[in-house]
Amino acid sequence: DAGVIQSPRHEVTEMGQEVTLRCKPISGHNSLFWYRQTMMRGLELLIYFNNNVPIDDSGMPEDRFSAKMPNASFSTLKIQPSEPRDSAVYFCASSPSTAYSNQPQHFGDGTRLSIL
Amino acid sequence: KNQVEQSPQSLIILEGKNCTLQCNYTVSPFSNLRWYKQDTGRGPVSLTIMTFSENTKSNGRYTATLDADTKQSSLHITASQLSDSASYICVVSNNDMRFGAGTRLTVKP
Repeated sequence: DAGVIQSPRHEVTEMGQEVTLRCKPISGHNSLFWYRQTMMRGLELLIYFNNNVPIDDSGMPEDRFSAKMPNASFSTLKIQPSEPRDSAVYFCASSPSTAYSNQPQHFGDGTRLSIL
Repeated sequence: KNQVEQSPQSLIILEGKNCTLQCNYTVSPFSNLRWYKQDTGRGPVSLTIMTFSENTKSNGRYTATLDADTKQSSLHITASQLSDSASYICVVSNNDMRFGAGTRLTVKP
């Protein structure tokens, strides 16, 4: 069991650049989540997919953020253009059921993003 | 005001001692309440998941309790180990997810 795989683990880039974060969920899981974690705001849910379809994107902070899930084994979170306030750790998680079910979510180890 | 409040913010205990972390919530109703453990530099790991009707759930040395009347949950750690040093996050779900800010636990030898 490889777990949820995120890449890159660390990303440092300059303000204004496009950033793409990648996630491979656990095989067989049909829900995928993107989270952001900062010291100030803690853990926040950005977007949730079920069967590759975005179900709830109310946590996406603004139009600069977009997420896609072209197939069951891959998702991306894109920030364009990036700003210093986007600096955070971004987590991807997957679950064998829907978001608010009683099944556990399995998290990747995150991407630490720094925007200079 | 956050709908999920955790206390204490941080806690230091000696190895072998027990401790209890608190989670107070105002989310009502809810479908489940989760406790996660997050090691530094890692993603959160699920410890327990309790539905509205459950009072207690154990996972090894971790025991979570839930009092739906007072809207309080606690996570009790028995015979702490150095590896228990981590942040512990409470999450309450209904049609969305509400996250607590976490308790930072340090276990010292």
